[in-house]
Amino acid sequence: AQSVTQLDSHVSVSEGTPVLLRCNYSSSYSPSLFWYVQHPNKGLQLLLKYTSAATLVKGINGFEAEFKKSETSFHLTKPSAHMSDAAEYFCVVSDGNQFYFGTGTSLTVIP
Amino acid sequence: GAVVSQHPSRVICKSGTSVKIECRSLDFQATTMFWYRQFPKKSLMLMATSNEGSKATYEQGVEKDKFLINHASLTLSTLTVTSAHPEDSSFYICSAWGGVQAYNEQFFGPGTRLTVL
Repeated sequence: AQSVTQLDSHVSVSEGTPVLLRCNYSSSYSPSLFWYVQHPNKGLQLLLKYTSAATLVKGINGFEAEFKKSETSFHLTKPSAHMSDAAEYFCVVSDGNQFYFGTGTSLTVIP
Repeated sequence: GAVVSQHPSRVICKSGTSVKIECRSLDFQATTMFWYRQFPKKSLMLMATSNEGSKATYEQGVEKDKFLINHASLTLSTLTVTSAHPEDSSFYICSAWGGVQAYNEQFFGPGTRLTVL
């Protein structure tokens, strides 16, 4: 069975400081992993995805994530937070048939 | 990436009426479309999965007679909320998936805000 755990429901960082949003998964198969961002009253936008190629995945807006099989993690990072990064972030795992969503992490960026 | 549209973006209706929400994949053929419901400050809750030309598969606890899903073509799925009540007020999001061989990711629509008075 597949599942996703986002360890922090809320993260607050100062503008210009690093961002770390944590995601752990469980999967019986070689999973595909995704990070999506959702701004208020908007749909979801794909930040990046891992599909068994390079374990360090670079996405849009300076975000990247590293797939660590030994730790079953796919944490999202960004070196320097921007005010526009304030949003809800979802980690998603797929086994090729279904998609499983984490509960989301709300990122606040303090000026 | 591919584009998915939803219409309408916002709808307000009276209790007891039915509301239809359209989800279209604009530049690729979606073998599967998903319908989600999102409550304020909550994650997405999968309501149903629909494959073109077949009946939708509903998640446990979702009333199939209340939330009618039609996936008549590879680019269009509709969700009809029948006899809507205030508790149906929510943000409804659809997504389209072309399968493992096509992008292997979901493309999300911008969502529809339903308010039932």
